[in-house]
Amino acid sequence: QKEVEQNSGPLSVPEGAIASLNCTYSDRGSQSFFWYRQYSGKSPELIMSIYSNGDKEDGRFTAQLNKASQYVSLLIRDSQPSDSATYLCAVNPRRGTYKYIFGTGTRLKVLA
Amino acid sequence: SAVISQKPSRDICQRGTSLTIQCQVDSQVTMMFWYRQQPGQSLTLIATANQGSEATYESGFVIDKFPISRPNLTFSTLTVSNMSPEDSSIYLCSVEGTSGVTRRRFFGPGTRLTVL
Repeated sequence: QKEVEQNSGPLSVPEGAIASLNCTYSDRGSQSFFWYRQYSGKSPELIMSIYSNGDKEDGRFTAQLNKASQYVSLLIRDSQPSDSATYLCAVNPRRGTYKYIFGTGTRLKVLA
Repeated sequence: SAVISQKPSRDICQRGTSLTIQCQVDSQVTMMFWYRQQPGQSLTLIATANQGSEATYESGFVIDKFPISRPNLTFSTLTVSNMSPEDSSIYLCSVEGTSGVTRRRFFGPGTRLTVL
């Protein structure tokens, strides 16, 4: 079992719809969770971080964490073509450690 | 936040040669990280570079193949030695910083390496 798993996609959604991206992780003791966006040919940029169970909202983005089920998701409301990118889920397994485990990413395509 | 630059941005190299990638940060940072992202794959941590000490390598990566220098708190180099086509990848420099109260990992623009 991979440490951090994501569906590679592509996930296609129409413009204005909600895009839902999911990520599961294997280490039950994981503490910190991140969503990065990576445009083709560019480096990853952090868009959301979440540390406790529940929802965290930032503009059109909502991160959801369920530690009991070991999954974290990212919702993008009112999806725009500019949201088309690969979204990487990253997990920091232990508080105070530097190691991030990245998933392989989900490619999102927002259709105009 | 941290602004990271990398040189070269891309290169095409012959098998058996070596390439040194430079990473420059606009602020002093304790830890710098080197990642590899192979086509269609996720980011894999190669090593962590601390100033004044030897780099710490992850499983599957060795110093002879990926020697790292960290002469000061704003600069690091990664050398890919005795290259083979399997080394074709994007190499990313990364640092840990803060944005407000949030700790976050910043990434450089990457070096796209093709080995023929």
